[in-house]
Amino acid sequence: GENVEQHPSTLSVQEGDSAVIKCTYSDSASNYFPWYKQELGKGPQLIIDIRSNVGEKKDQRIAVTLNKTAKHFSLHITETQPEDSAVYFCAASASFQKLVFGTGTRLLVSP
Amino acid sequence: ETGVTQTPRHLVMGMTNKKSLKCEQHLGHNAMYWYKQSAKKPLELMFVYSLEERVENNSVPSRFSPECPNSSHLFLHLHTLQPEDSALYLCASSQERAGRGSPLHFGNGTRLTVT
Repeated sequence: GENVEQHPSTLSVQEGDSAVIKCTYSDSASNYFPWYKQELGKGPQLIIDIRSNVGEKKDQRIAVTLNKTAKHFSLHITETQPEDSAVYFCAASASFQKLVFGTGTRLLVSP
Repeated sequence: ETGVTQTPRHLVMGMTNKKSLKCEQHLGHNAMYWYKQSAKKPLELMFVYSLEERVENNSVPSRFSPECPNSSHLFLHLHTLQPEDSALYLCASSQERAGRGSPLHFGNGTRLTVT
């Protein structure tokens, strides 16, 4: 089955810096890669997703890149703000298969 | 009210108690899920219901019993739990089953403590 590894487990940046979180997956059939943000006391919320027919997707300060050959995908946050502080999860799935999540990255943005 | 609502937000129960977690989705979705979230572990999928039919059960102990009376409501009945069952239990819904590229919408979870 699919296995997703996520790094780093914690990431501290200064406000205004960029943050990058990386994930690798094992199943070459995986074709859907969402990212979720979980704030304290809340459930995970989808922030961006990408499908295997696209190499990069942007939404304002957030971007995700996908390298199918290397089987890894990354979340990029530019101009970080304190409200970006949260736990971020990557996930992957193949068609008609369940989503498999990474172990999460705790991002701390210091003012 | 919109989104996915879970009650209660916090629950403390003894190992001999019976309690239930409730989830309600107001998004018109067809699939609902129970996930378990423990510290330093990936989200663990427990059960999937699609159009009120249980379509997945990931080797969850029988002390956890799900119920889906309709497409908007999902319950998780708990009995004779163990301390290691203490975790955040998350309910989610999606338009179609996740894995078909349909995003999951999560509730805020029930923090369960088993004493």
